[in-house]
Amino acid sequence: DSGVTQTPKHLITATGQRVTLRCSPRSGDLSVYWYQQSLDQGLQFLIQYYNGEERAKGNILERFSAQQFPDLHSELNLSSLELGDSALYFCASSVGGTGGKYGYTFGSGTRLTVV
Amino acid sequence: DQQVKQNSPSLSVQEGRISILNCDYTNSMFDYFLWYKKYPAEGPTFLISISSIKDKNEDGRFTVFLNKSAKHLSLHIVPSQPGDSAVYFCAASASNSGYALNFGKGTSLLVTP
Repeated sequence: DSGVTQTPKHLITATGQRVTLRCSPRSGDLSVYWYQQSLDQGLQFLIQYYNGEERAKGNILERFSAQQFPDLHSELNLSSLELGDSALYFCASSVGGTGGKYGYTFGSGTRLTVV
Repeated sequence: DQQVKQNSPSLSVQEGRISILNCDYTNSMFDYFLWYKKYPAEGPTFLISISSIKDKNEDGRFTVFLNKSAKHLSLHIVPSQPGDSAVYFCAASASNSGYALNFGKGTSLLVTP
């Protein structure tokens, strides 16, 4: 158990729908990162939050949004879902805002299937 | 645009031998480089890192080498063990993008007995 909790583990939904993925970071970690891993693709960085504020943005579609709440958990909202959004979505956390220097801790992911 | 590239999708090595996983990058602003290991149905786990001011970092059986002029890094595993069979991801970060990690597509390592 890495200490980063992602729910749900699996999600199946129809095109056009909206889903919310949830992440609880490790205790004491202030930063949360979201990544997407599609078939044959590496991990694509979506967005980072640090202590409730957006810190960095990657290849995140406009249909996707995220937020980090005062208790530091984060949610990734995916709307108007398309078949191509089917992927593994990982959340990671780190103590500081520069976790990419020394590594961050990943959760086990949410597998989203859009049918 | 893929700024971190792992050109070998898979590698098979015999137990006890050396495994060498390679990674190339295009962004000269990267100043931290990391390797992650991933088992099926689990998230990636951090393995080893190196900053751009060094050319080698060692941790037990794992050594990472960085060649900045060639924009190339490699992970050496010696000796390889069957439990090392996993997908290995190379990642890099830069201060001008908040140190968010850019990942390669991964290399699947199989260590055979």
